[in-house]
Amino acid sequence: QVQLVQSGAEVKKPGASVKVSCKASGYTFTSYGISWVRQAPGQGLEWMGWISAYNGNTNYAQKLQGRVTMTTDTSTSTAYMELRSLRSDDTAVYYCARRIAAAEFDYWGQGTLVTVSS
Amino acid sequence: QSALTQPASVSGSPGQSITISCTGTSSDVGGYNYVSWYQQHPGKAPKLMIYDVSKRPSGVSNRFSGSKSGNTASLTISGLQAEDEADYYCCSYAGSSTLVFGGGTKLTVL
Repeated sequence: QVQLVQSGAEVKKPGASVKVSCKASGYTFTSYGISWVRQAPGQGLEWMGWISAYNGNTNYAQKLQGRVTMTTDTSTSTAYMELRSLRSDDTAVYYCARRIAAAEFDYWGQGTLVTVSS
Repeated sequence: QSALTQPASVSGSPGQSITISCTGTSSDVGGYNYVSWYQQHPGKAPKLMIYDVSKRPSGVSNRFSGSKSGNTASLTISGLQAEDEADYYCCSYAGSSTLVFGGGTKLTVL
């Protein structure tokens, strides 16, 4: 069965970086893209960007350009999302999701809470 | 990219039907037939309920349906059940491989 398993919760200081992993299993990793979506406490979903696991092509949300990098390691079927220069408003649950079509995410990770606090 | 506009909350009684709207622009909702809807229960990851405006993934109840007119997409839930109480988010392709979510709607089953 398809599973996306994310790394554990993180606590970071403002200005630091965080790297969240998303290990996929149960399907051919390079056949689909991975999107990252975050959700601040009590707020809605925010699309962060996506990466093609086939060729590594990426697209990022404009507001995160320059601070976010998404990568994959096809040897371990793992996707990564690194966010730099963290601010308090980056505090959120970060989800990875398998993207199978334009706006279609059929499997999601369990979420990773990233807390940014001094 | 601005978030799509959804009502903050809707409610209905068991057995009734409700509709949640999702308004965007000609650059997102109105420009593509790539609108999806996600259900999210508290503390859980979102679940895909509708994709490509009106298609239902395998395993999703046929009580859920989607449509679109112009720049507004809609999710209709018929025969409301207690388990439908959740937050619902629309999502639209916005061109150049970018996506945008709606602000979310809290559905209360009375």
